[in-house]
Order: sequence, then structure tokens, then C-alpha cells
Amino acid sequence: KQEVTQIPAALSVPEGENLVLNCSFTDSAIYNLQWFRQDPGKGLTSLLLIQSSQREQTSGRLNASLDKSSGRSTLYIAASQPGDSATYLCAAVDDYKLSFGAGTTVTVRA
Amino acid sequence: NAGVTQTPKFQVLKTGQSMTLQCAQDMNHEYMSWYRQDPGMGLRLIHYSVGAGITDQGEVPNGYNVSRSTTEDFPLRLLSAAPSQTSVYFCASRFSGRDEQYFGPGTRLTVT
Repeated sequence: KQEVTQIPAALSVPEGENLVLNCSFTDSAIYNLQWFRQDPGKGLTSLLLIQSSQREQTSGRLNASLDKSSGRSTLYIAASQPGDSATYLCAAVDDYKLSFGAGTTVTVRA
Repeated sequence: NAGVTQTPKFQVLKTGQSMTLQCAQDMNHEYMSWYRQDPGMGLRLIHYSVGAGITDQGEVPNGYNVSRSTTEDFPLRLLSAAPSQTSVYFCASRFSGRDEQYFGPGTRLTVT
């Protein structure tokens, strides 16, 4: 059974600092890994999808890396802004399901 | 494109009542699924479907039924609501196993 862990559970940084969010998974036989953002009381918004054959994916200030052999993915957010405050979830994807971590709640202080 | 839509947004049920949570998508996605989100536990898969007429159980299926008569719709039925089913329910869809997953806005359900 796939187990996904996100550490830390919460993070508070001043505006402008770079964010590093960690995700680890136990079963390396994944199709891909997906990062999501969730605002309080809202649904999940997809940020980045990294296919199992890729090592990283970038979108604007966001960069995600994937190391299947060590069972790790890292989401980097450059030059954080107060609008980046949210919960970030990673999910390891196999052929029919996503296995989610519990998330990292980020607060960016102005 | 409306994406993935869910109704209702909020619902309060009494123990033993039944109800159906609605989910629809207009992206012609084959894969659809239902997750529940509970504090500190992440999202857990309830049921999923890989196409019209095909459904299967996820990791927490007890107390829930699904059917998939069309590509667009994937309703989730609670047969006899229990307080343990108090949760936020998300419907999701994607083209295939290797594609990006899209989520609906969620239904917040309270069972008293």
C-alpha cells in the first residue's frame, strides 16, 4: 500500500523567502506525481504534474523535482508572496488512484 | 468548460437518512473518482470508474454506492448515513491513468 508523507505539516516564512516543500512515498512504481494547492474551504487546484520518466517540471515560480529511486519529490516556490499562503498536497499516482499526503500548510507573512 | 461540478455544496443529514451527491464533468474524461477528506488524514479514495458502466471500490467504500451510466455523471449514494461519514467529499476526473487529475469544489456533509 502506497504511503505518502509530507514534512513539515506547517511552515511560516516572511515574504520573499523561497519555499521548499517535501513529499516522500514508499512505492516507486508510480505513473506520475502531482502537486496541488488547496485554499481553506475550497477544492484542489493542480499545480504541477511530473511524469515518472521526468526528473522535474516548472511553471512560473514553481519547480517540482522527482526522484523515484529514493521515493521523494520536492516543490520549490521562488520569492514567496502572501498569496501563496495555502495548503499544498502531493499525490502519488498509479493507474487508478491518487495516494495523498496530509499536506503542508504554508503561511507567507507580509 | 464548467470542468468538474458537484452539488450540493453543503448538506446536513440525520443518522439513517440516505442521499445522493452529484458529480458531473464536461471534459469527456474516462476516469472519475470520489474521495473524502478528513482532518489530518489526507484524501482517501471511496470509489472510482474507468468508463461508463465500469466501477470499482477504493480504500474506504463501505456505506457508499456508485454507478456510471454516462461518461459525464458519477453520483455517490450514501445508503444509511452515519456520523462517521461526516466529511468533505470531492469528485475528480481525468482522461487516463497518466493524465492530470481535476477536482470539483467539494460537498461538505455533516451527519448528526
